[in-house]
Amino acid sequence: GAGVSQSPRYKVAKRGQDVALRCDPISGHVSLFWYQQALGQGPEFLTYFQNEAQLDKSGLPSDRFFAERPEGSVSTLKIQRTQQEDSAVYLCASSPEQGTNQPQHFGDGTRLSIL
Amino acid sequence: GENVEQHPSTLSVQEGDSAVIKCTYSDSASNYFPWYKQELGKRPQLIIDIRSNVGEKKDQRIAVTLNKTAKHFSLHITETQPEDSAVYFCAASGYSSGYALNFGKGTSLLVTP
Repeated sequence: GAGVSQSPRYKVAKRGQDVALRCDPISGHVSLFWYQQALGQGPEFLTYFQNEAQLDKSGLPSDRFFAERPEGSVSTLKIQRTQQEDSAVYLCASSPEQGTNQPQHFGDGTRLSIL
Repeated sequence: GENVEQHPSTLSVQEGDSAVIKCTYSDSASNYFPWYKQELGKRPQLIIDIRSNVGEKKDQRIAVTLNKTAKHFSLHITETQPEDSAVYFCAASGYSSGYALNFGKGTSLLVTP
């Protein structure tokens, strides 16, 4: 079946604009994760959904970052009033089961550039 | 929280040689340790994982070892091929780190023909 799909692949925005990044997880996957990957670094956790419930948002860097998964499938990561330090690749991952010890399957990411 | 250290940051080997990448973790409660391969501009791809009740796992040319006492785990690639060239990330997770995978900073592996 299809893997994790993210859109857009590339997004350029001016500082201060709002952006929305979309993630389509693998069909039927219960768990959905968002990560931020800076250039030359490993992914850093942002937030976790189990179905539609956001169980962990401890990695969101500020209240400008907001994520939702209203029907337990597609998820959107929204960043308000973007700043240059928000420039990074935003990765989405999904897992078929709940919990911490399950393989996570990643999408290709959205490369966000803030001018 | 969990802190994962990864070494070396870059590794160059000749085709056919073995490559070893090492990671240490800080949280003794961590119990899941995956390895990801990421080619330039592409998604991290899970290549192998190990849980804390196992000391070693193999999949063809790839193996992972785990030493819980020392809190370190290693990736071993044998008979390397040019297509193994990529950035490799180790990660750790467990109950005390919530739901996050905590990643190392990556190792850039170059396999020269």
